[in-house]
Formats: sequence, C-alpha cells, structure tokens
Amino acid sequence: GAGVSQSPSNKVTEKGKDVELRCDPISGHTALYWYRQSLGQGLEFLIYFQGNSAPDKSGLPSDRFSAERTGGSVSTLTIQRTQQEDSAVYLCASSPTWGNTIYFGEGSWLTVV
Amino acid sequence: EDQVTQSPEALRLQEGESSSLNCSYTVSGLRGLFWYRQDPGKGPEFLFTLYSAGEEKEKERLKATLTKKESFLHITAPKPEDSATYLCAVQAAIGGNDMRFGAGTRLTVKP
Repeated sequence: GAGVSQSPSNKVTEKGKDVELRCDPISGHTALYWYRQSLGQGLEFLIYFQGNSAPDKSGLPSDRFSAERTGGSVSTLTIQRTQQEDSAVYLCASSPTWGNTIYFGEGSWLTVV
Repeated sequence: EDQVTQSPEALRLQEGESSSLNCSYTVSGLRGLFWYRQDPGKGPEFLFTLYSAGEEKEKERLKATLTKKESFLHITAPKPEDSATYLCAVQAAIGGNDMRFGAGTRLTVKP
C-alpha cells in the first residue's frame, strides 16, 4: 500500500463501550501521529510515536485514551468507556522521521450514540 | 505557546477570481510550515512545505509564500475543483513533537 491505511473507516458505538482504531503507516516511516478532528474544527494532536522512543502522549485528552505501536509499524488507538464527546474523525499520519512532511490516512469516523 | 491563525474562515470566489489565504503563526523557532488541502470526508492532502522566510513553492494554480510571521496561499484563476478546506500547520524546531494546525479556510469556487 502506498498510503496510510486506517480501519475501520466508520464506527458507530454505544456510549460506555470500548473502541479500537487501527493505523498502518507508510512502509519505512518511523514517525506516526494520531490527530482528532471534531465536526467543523481544526486538527487536535493526540499522540506521537518515533521509532522505539517513548511516545509523546501530551495531547491525549483523558486517561480513557491510549495508544500503542507494535514493532515500530502498526498502531492502535483505544478509547475506553466512550462518551458522546468522543465522536469525531480520528486521523493517523506518518512521516519518514520527525520534522519531515506528514502524510495522512483517510480517517476513522467515530460516532458514539 | 505555538499558535496558528488562518483567515478568512470561509471564502467564496467566482471561477477565475484570484485571491489569497492567510496563515499567521507564532512559534518558538520554525522547523517548517505546511499547507494541506482537505476535501469533505477525506484526510488532509499534502500541498507544500516551506522552511525559511522568502521561500516560495508553486503547484498548478497554487503558490505558497512565507515570511517570519505569516504564510500566504495564493490561488490564481481558481476552478470549481479547487473548492476545499485549506489547512496550515507549523512545526517548531524545539519543544513539542506535534504539528500545530490552524482551523482552516473553507474555499468555495463558483462556476
């Protein structure tokens, strides 16, 4: 695959349930980002991974949010006990390394009902 | 704190009517300024990276310029297919790892 791949593309979940969102970055890219975009809003930084370094979690809005990156490639963003305000598009992006252009996936649209 | 402000929020143009979008920023040492285009329901699509004041980049009807405080995205003779939201982002040379995005300018080009 040439681009960043995200799944699912759409997810509807009930309030209180846990959800997992997956990101497969561009092959060879060591930097991986998660952003959140609420309806009509700008992009909000969530978390950053660079190689084997400890992730930068400074953007995670609460302890219900967590992310991991296995083998320096695929990443999973987990939201526990979802709330309606978690409804948004979750965008993953990757970059050859920090400071280079980042390339986005198409996003995972999450709706909490 | 790093900040990015884009103006106007929305812009409506007639086909062929040239204009400019503004991105003002404050950052503790600029590593790079990035322009993206985002269509409804899609992820942002990379357009340009600018690294230093005075730099310019062009692609078809778009030209991006950079000063020490702002960047402009000039659109020459736009077409309806240029309609999209244009996002500006900055990355600081030191400090946070994230790219800080503006809220975007929603451009509509009428035929």
